[in-house]
Amino acid sequence: NAGVTQTPKFRVLKTGQSMTLLCAQDMNHEYMYWYRQDPGMGLRLIHYSVGEGTTAKGEVPDGYNVSRLKKQNFLLGLESAAPSQTSVYFCASSYPRNAHTEAFFGQGTRLTVV
Amino acid sequence: GNSVTQMEGPVTLSEEAFLTINCTYTATGYPSLFWYVQYPGEGLQLLLKATKADDKGSNKGFEATYRKETTSFHLEKGSVQVSDSAVYFCALRGSSNTGKLIFGQGTTLQVKP
Repeated sequence: NAGVTQTPKFRVLKTGQSMTLLCAQDMNHEYMYWYRQDPGMGLRLIHYSVGEGTTAKGEVPDGYNVSRLKKQNFLLGLESAAPSQTSVYFCASSYPRNAHTEAFFGQGTRLTVV
Repeated sequence: GNSVTQMEGPVTLSEEAFLTINCTYTATGYPSLFWYVQYPGEGLQLLLKATKADDKGSNKGFEATYRKETTSFHLEKGSVQVSDSAVYFCALRGSSNTGKLIFGQGTTLQVKP
C-alpha cells in the first residue's frame, strides 16, 4: 500500500534555483493538496486540485506553481527559490464530494534554501 | 472564514498522566472535525474524526467530542505513554466542495517515563 508518495524527501537549494516536488497517489483520489509546515504555524495550504487538469490557489500561493496533468500526480514547482521557502512540504489527497472523509498525507519533503 | 485554534505547547507530562489538548474552531455551516498526529520525522496520520454535533471520535485510547455549542473538539486521553510523544493537529473540513482542511498550529506533546 503506497498511498501518497513524495519525492524527493530532502533537498537543499541555493537562492534563485528552481525545482519540482512530485506527489503521486495510488488511491484514485480526485482531490490533491500541497501544504507547507512551519514551526508554530501549523499547515498552510499552498495550492490544491479538485481534478485532473484543474488547480486553484490556497492560502499562501505566492512563489509556487502547480500542475495536475495526470489524476495520480500533483507537481509543485518553485521557479526561483527564496530562503522564506525553507519549510517542510506535505502533499495530501482525498475523495471528493464527501466532507466527512479524511485526507491522506505523504511523508513530507524537507527543503532548505540557502 | 474558517479557522482552528489550538492550545499552545509544548505539553510535558509524565507517563500515565491525563492529557487534554484544547481545540476551538470558527466555521460556517456544518464542518467535519479531525485530529491528526505527526510522529517525529513522519507525515500526518489521522487519529480520529467526528462528522456532526455530539459525535465522539475515538482511537488508540484518545477521544474527542464535537461540541457545537462551544465550537470545541478537545482531545483527551486518560493515561499517556512515552510512545504518544508527537505533534497533534486539530483540523476542520468545511462543507464546500473543495475538501480543504484548515489546521490549527499544532501542539507538541512530550511524555517522560
